[in-house]
Amino acid sequence: QQPVQSPQAVILREGEDAVINCSSSKALYSVHWYRQKHGEAPVFLMILLKGGEQKGHEKISASFNEKKQQSSLYLTASQLSYSGTYFCGTKSQAGTALIFGKGTTLSVSS
Amino acid sequence: GAVVSQHPSRVICKSGTSVKIECRSLDFQATTMFWYRQFPKQSLMLMATSNEGSKATYEQGVEKDKFLINHASLTLSTLTVTSAHPEDSSFYICSKAPGQGRTDTQYFGPGTRLTVL
Repeated sequence: QQPVQSPQAVILREGEDAVINCSSSKALYSVHWYRQKHGEAPVFLMILLKGGEQKGHEKISASFNEKKQQSSLYLTASQLSYSGTYFCGTKSQAGTALIFGKGTTLSVSS
Repeated sequence: GAVVSQHPSRVICKSGTSVKIECRSLDFQATTMFWYRQFPKQSLMLMATSNEGSKATYEQGVEKDKFLINHASLTLSTLTVTSAHPEDSSFYICSKAPGQGRTDTQYFGPGTRLTVL
């Protein structure tokens, strides 16, 4: 049931782009993306509901392909502040608890 | 601003003692709250679903007699770690389910770091 994230880790220089993938073996109602800094709680980035929509948040955007049960998070022109661990969380039904992937650690250096 | 608060943010206790963690919804009433646990460098793992006025639903492998959940009001859920042991040391985070008619966004509290000596 746990979604699978890839890659496990990404190392970037400022200004470079990255893509983080999340896939599930179950049909999905929604996909949620969070970023967590060391020692802090996860911070909500965006939610994608079934319908194949793409959403954006500054230079971070995401897509959701419900047929393939996959979502991707796109980080463009990365900044130092993007460093952290990114988690995708999935729901198969509205109102149920999020089930999280194992996370992708992103390190951005100057 | 924050929509979910947790108290305490950090607690250190001796082995064998019990620790209570409070989770409050600050904006709308929350009939359902979720409790997660996160060990170092691992993902957030769902422990239980807390329902106001009824028994909590625990995930497989989570001892309900060890992790007591009480959801006595629409804005407060508590998690009590009973007879804590060093292996219970972890980051405990609560989250509330979205309210009726709202988007499905799940907001998290700031977390409680438990260290059992």
